[in-house]
Amino acid sequence: IQLTQSPSSLSASVGDRVTITCRASQGISSYLVWYQQKPGKAPKLLIYAASTLQSGVPSRFSGSGSGTDFTLTISSLQPEDFATYYCQQVNNYPFTFGPGTKVDIK
Amino acid sequence: QVQLVQSGAEVKKPEASVKVSCKASGYTFTGYYINWVRQAPGQGLEWMGWINPDSGGTNYAQKFQGRVTMTTDTSISTAYMELSRLRSDDTAMYYCARDESSSWSRYDSWGQGTLVTVSS
Repeated sequence: IQLTQSPSSLSASVGDRVTITCRASQGISSYLVWYQQKPGKAPKLLIYAASTLQSGVPSRFSGSGSGTDFTLTISSLQPEDFATYYCQQVNNYPFTFGPGTKVDIK
Repeated sequence: QVQLVQSGAEVKKPEASVKVSCKASGYTFTGYYINWVRQAPGQGLEWMGWINPDSGGTNYAQKFQGRVTMTTDTSISTAYMELSRLRSDDTAMYYCARDESSSWSRYDSWGQGTLVTVSS
């Protein structure tokens, strides 16, 4: 299963609402996970089952979607949110990741 | 707290093998699958497979079948990933990650990464 993400990169300001889209090449129900990765660090789990917020993750992060189209939304971008975001499908083997969306400072 | 600590960086020649370790602490090692994910320099994430420390069962991405072997030593709560017949495009950061749930897979804890460089 191929995953595409859009945009591949975006520039935003603190306080902005940011939406990232992940599209699967075939239906994956809600078996979609979102990770955040900062330079030189391991990825961090944000959301699983498409919309379930991982414990300890700020509520400004939210996920939605099912089937083939998914979104990650950051309601009010904070300085610590500048990072690369990856989606991953865990419905079919091999589990695959999207190519990533880099969020940087405008 | 849950922690995964990986072995140090490796430099290998083409056609050699590398074995990366991942020592777990802070939880029952046999209760959670360990996944391996790699990331080439400046590139995205690539899933390699998982191992069930309880049964020893594995599931490898087809791309790595025949070259990768994942094992565990439950007596020391350590998982291993061995990759053979290394090529230059195997140069990457290799991560181990704990799968919090086998039914709704998600990796809640990650190792710090092990950089493997393949160069003649």
